[in-house]
Amino acid sequence: GAVVSQHPSWVICKSGTSVKIECRSLDFQATTMFWYRQFPKQSLMLMATSNEGSKATYEQGVEKDKFLINHASLTLSTLTVTSAHPEDSSFYICSANGLAGGLEETQYFGPGTRLLVL
Amino acid sequence: RKEVEQDPGPFNVPEGATVAFNCTYSNSASQSFFWYRQDCRKEPKLLMSVYSSGNEDGRFTAQLNRASQYISLLIRDSKLSDSATYLCVVNPLGSGNQFYFGTGTSLTVIP
Repeated sequence: GAVVSQHPSWVICKSGTSVKIECRSLDFQATTMFWYRQFPKQSLMLMATSNEGSKATYEQGVEKDKFLINHASLTLSTLTVTSAHPEDSSFYICSANGLAGGLEETQYFGPGTRLLVL
Repeated sequence: RKEVEQDPGPFNVPEGATVAFNCTYSNSASQSFFWYRQDCRKEPKLLMSVYSSGNEDGRFTAQLNRASQYISLLIRDSKLSDSATYLCVVNPLGSGNQFYFGTGTSLTVIP
């Protein structure tokens, strides 16, 4: 399957700082990437769809000015959590579309970034 | 109504048992279906696609019932390493690249 990487894997920061998370497709080009957030013992929640060369599409209830997404190339999307607060502490996961075994498209996930805001 | 609904469990089964999970979806025009596995504190990983004709991969069998709008996953001869959360995923027609995830079903295989 396709390989997606994320960096960093762990972030601990003080309240009020901004945190940037990178998502890279390593062996394929991804015109579309997705950003999810997952709180403990809850399901994945789609935050936004990142489109290469254009503005991201945010899900209802997700503040675009707080969660800045940049998809400047076909292999890299970044999510910046601006002025992070403790309630932003979560597991942030990106994904990109790739081909499954039967050549149907599916999503491949990065390893995730754990953010802890103190 | 949610796009995808799953029984959250938890399912606690002994080693060697057979366990089945079901998932229902609301959009009858959905065209792609998958099961993902998510281990604790890890990202989801694709387990298998689900085809109309049903498909099998070792101990795992996936089936799709379009008339009733549900998909299933059967695990035979459960191993301790099968303990995880299993996510049902649907890509509805017209949703573009967007996929809809169920909340997941938790499985614990007990020695």
